[in-house]
Amino acid sequence: GQQLNQSPQSMFIQEGEDVSMNCTSSSIFNTWLWYKQDPGEGPVLLIALYKAGELTSNGRLTAQFGITRKDSFLNISASIPSDVGIYFCAGQRGTGNQFYFGTGTSLTVIP
Amino acid sequence: GAGVSQSPSNKVTEKGKDVELRCDPISGHTALYWYRQSLGQGLEFLIYFQGNSAPDKSGLPSDRFSAERTGGSVSTLTIQRTQQEDSAVYLCASSFPSSGNTIYFGEGSWLTVV
Repeated sequence: GQQLNQSPQSMFIQEGEDVSMNCTSSSIFNTWLWYKQDPGEGPVLLIALYKAGELTSNGRLTAQFGITRKDSFLNISASIPSDVGIYFCAGQRGTGNQFYFGTGTSLTVIP
Repeated sequence: GAGVSQSPSNKVTEKGKDVELRCDPISGHTALYWYRQSLGQGLEFLIYFQGNSAPDKSGLPSDRFSAERTGGSVSTLTIQRTQQEDSAVYLCASSFPSSGNTIYFGEGSWLTVV
């Protein structure tokens, strides 16, 4: 199955810093999702985006649906230790189609 | 059920034995996915079921792997003649294809082949 290009692959940041990661595709998507996976658990949905240009926030997290429909961005402001985990993007071309996942960004927050 | 349920949560098996992993999706969800994830790594797509359509099996790594979805609900992933490299977390997810749909994951089945 297709995988989306997600970057960076890993990040090591100081507590309090802002974080930015992105996901790109060669295909146009109509839905973008962002997930976080804590160690030993399944991925949990953070933000869902359904419209090109859409900017959605969830607490300190903000995600954007790129206007080209081929990319999405996730920003985390003022990082804290519990932000540690693996972040995944997922895209879907259209209703009823399969979701494709990014390769993941591993985030480490240094207290 | 309220969420995607997977069983067993942990399985230790001897090399060469067969294993079955079960996924019970959210009620009414017609799409079901299986992924494999090695420690600290990304999600490796295995197979995708959507309603009555033929499943997308393009991610199955070998013919030792197979999956069924009976009655459009519960799915079983079977690994025959397990090898040590099969050790991983096997994640199941489901979704309902509608506008504004999202995909929900189970907690995973941790497989260790010794």
